[in-house]
Amino acid sequence: TQLLEQSPQFLSIQEGENLTVYCNSSSVFSSLQWYRQEPGEGPVLLVTVVTGGEVKKLKRLTFQFGDARKDSSLHITAAQPGDTGLYLCAALLYSGAGSYQLTFGKGTKLSVIP
Amino acid sequence: ETGVTQSPTHLIKTRGQQVTLRCSSQSGHNTVSWYQQALGQGPQFIFQYYREEENGRGNFPPRFSGLQFPNYSSELNVNALELDDSALYLCASSLLKDTGELFFGEGSRLTVL
Repeated sequence: TQLLEQSPQFLSIQEGENLTVYCNSSSVFSSLQWYRQEPGEGPVLLVTVVTGGEVKKLKRLTFQFGDARKDSSLHITAAQPGDTGLYLCAALLYSGAGSYQLTFGKGTKLSVIP
Repeated sequence: ETGVTQSPTHLIKTRGQQVTLRCSSQSGHNTVSWYQQALGQGPQFIFQYYREEENGRGNFPPRFSGLQFPNYSSELNVNALELDDSALYLCASSLLKDTGELFFGEGSRLTVL
């Protein structure tokens, strides 16, 4: 079973439209991160949300952390072709002996058509 | 530009062969993590190195091994390659081992035939 479930898996929209993608889990997290990965590149950190109910804005991107700290959403306003990419949510998990690992969802592949 | 560089960018191997992938971390970062990203999937944690020692491992068999050098650069070695090892291998560096702020390289695309 996947610890972080992302939906939708694929999303294709026209330039100018709004969209929301989701990251859900049955586990409680101290924080969640969102990354964007473009073809041929590694993921790039967009934001970290820490507090339940927290809302963070990054230009046209709005990130929200659920009150219970089990889920998060990413809303994009007036999508542009440059927003095209794979959006990944990730949680930092303690794996024992002072070791932490970042666990990713499968991602939402977004295509914005001009 | 994250300052993390990986080599080679692409390579093709056949089943049973061995491969070594290399990573130079961002200046000042002492922790390196390796991830495997299969097509259509999110990155899967392989292991992490902190100050030249393995500091955590994901669900990967022993034929996946690594090294970290005094300058904090790192290698990922995979022995006895299998077809399912075909993936993008990502290296990420961080300043601290217990922080989630990772800086990823562009990856090494491995194809196993």
